Amino acid sequence: DQQVKQNSPSLSVQEGRISILNCDYTNSMFDYFLWYKKYPAEGPTFLISISSIKDKNEDGRFTVFLNKSAKHLSLHIVPSQPGDSAVYFCAASAGGGATNKLIFGTGTLLAVQP
Amino acid sequence: GAGVSQSPSNKVTEKGKDVELRCDPISGHTALYWYRQSLGQGLEFLIYFQGNSAPDKSGLPSDRFSAERTGGSVSTLTIQRTQQEDSAVYLCASSRDRTMRSQFFGPGTRLTVL
Repeated sequence: DQQVKQNSPSLSVQEGRISILNCDYTNSMFDYFLWYKKYPAEGPTFLISISSIKDKNEDGRFTVFLNKSAKHLSLHIVPSQPGDSAVYFCAASAGGGATNKLIFGTGTLLAVQP
Repeated sequence: GAGVSQSPSNKVTEKGKDVELRCDPISGHTALYWYRQSLGQGLEFLIYFQGNSAPDKSGLPSDRFSAERTGGSVSTLTIQRTQQEDSAVYLCASSRDRTMRSQFFGPGTRLTVL
């Protein structure tokens, strides 16, 4: 049972335009959400996170939106740059337990075309 | 150190052999996680260490997998009698403590079982 879903395996965007990556989750106990970027042969790099008490968090070109009622979050990258081309993973965790293990989606490959 | 380090970066082994994978977390981080990423999949939680507490081993796929963390720092993941389905990238992550929800990943060890 996939608790975190990224239904788009790939996305292609022109440089300078907005990239929107989507993520859906099923577990209502999740209270913290993260986005990671991964280049080939490297570990995931933390990008941005959001707590369930918020619906938006912004950091430079990156903004994460959370819609709790729809169990949906999205990552917006504006403006997109060729260096943003990578696999983006959505992850979630449920606080209150002893382990803050992350549950990951399967990733979306973003290609930013110059 | 500056980041999470893992060794070796690549490991090729024959089916039935034992392997050890090493993780050095960020200095001062008390929480340490192991994940693996199989081909085309998201990251899958394996095990979690927090300080001197008993580890959360709930993600280990079989009793051939074990991990230890000596001195609250370096961790070793051991896979006994490796099978071809163990082939994956094994990733280690750390966070300052369990209240810090964002985890920082190492570059991973790519394990190939022939």
